[in-house]
Amino acid sequence: DIQMTQSPSTLSASIGDRVTITCRASQSISYWLAWYRQTPGQPPKLLIYKASVLVSGVPSRFSGSGFGTEFTLTISSLQPDDFATYYCQQYTSYSHTFGQGTKVEIK
Amino acid sequence: EVQLLESGGNLVQPGGSLRLSCAASGFSFDSHVMTWVRQAPGKGLEWVSSISGSGGNTYYADSVKGRFTISRDNSKNTVSMHLNSLRAEDTARYFCAKTYASGSGWFVFDFWGQGTLVAVSS
Repeated sequence: DIQMTQSPSTLSASIGDRVTITCRASQSISYWLAWYRQTPGQPPKLLIYKASVLVSGVPSRFSGSGFGTEFTLTISSLQPDDFATYYCQQYTSYSHTFGQGTKVEIK
Repeated sequence: EVQLLESGGNLVQPGGSLRLSCAASGFSFDSHVMTWVRQAPGKGLEWVSSISGSGGNTYYADSVKGRFTISRDNSKNTVSMHLNSLRAEDTARYFCAKTYASGSGWFVFDFWGQGTLVAVSS
């Protein structure tokens, strides 16, 4: 199975900060990677797919990059709604593995 | 507007069974793969099972293969999952997700319901 590892596990930041989350795959997944945001008590919401394609309606402060085994999610200017947990997910294999999550907290 | 409404979650004893359902609206249901993803309390996300638009193809995580069965009724816009031989480690919120079948052949979950809670305990 492909393992997905996110770093950091927790991140403390302030409104307006630029934030970067990393996701590493245990083997190459090409660009078959998605990012989700989950706020407390809510279901996950798809933000980005194919590593860098922004879902319609998602604010442009979110961007994704990467290929192969290393990927990043960047939030250019953190907003109140962005204090949440972020998950990456690979979809190049049957297992559809998620990363363990990165919680973005208020500093 | 896409809506997904899950139901059927409950407290059940180890070894017991449960049937989860998800009622969908706001999109062309029979054109979409549908998926169940679960989240144990305070934990991350785990893909559980998916079913093709026609219902002819089903997919299961190794952790549930042989115990869970996914199905769909396109005349009623519902997807269901029978959970058998339940274990404590199956305790989780189960989310129904509208699914996009990507160029890789595998799945991205582009809209999620609120979920239904399954608790397995004696």
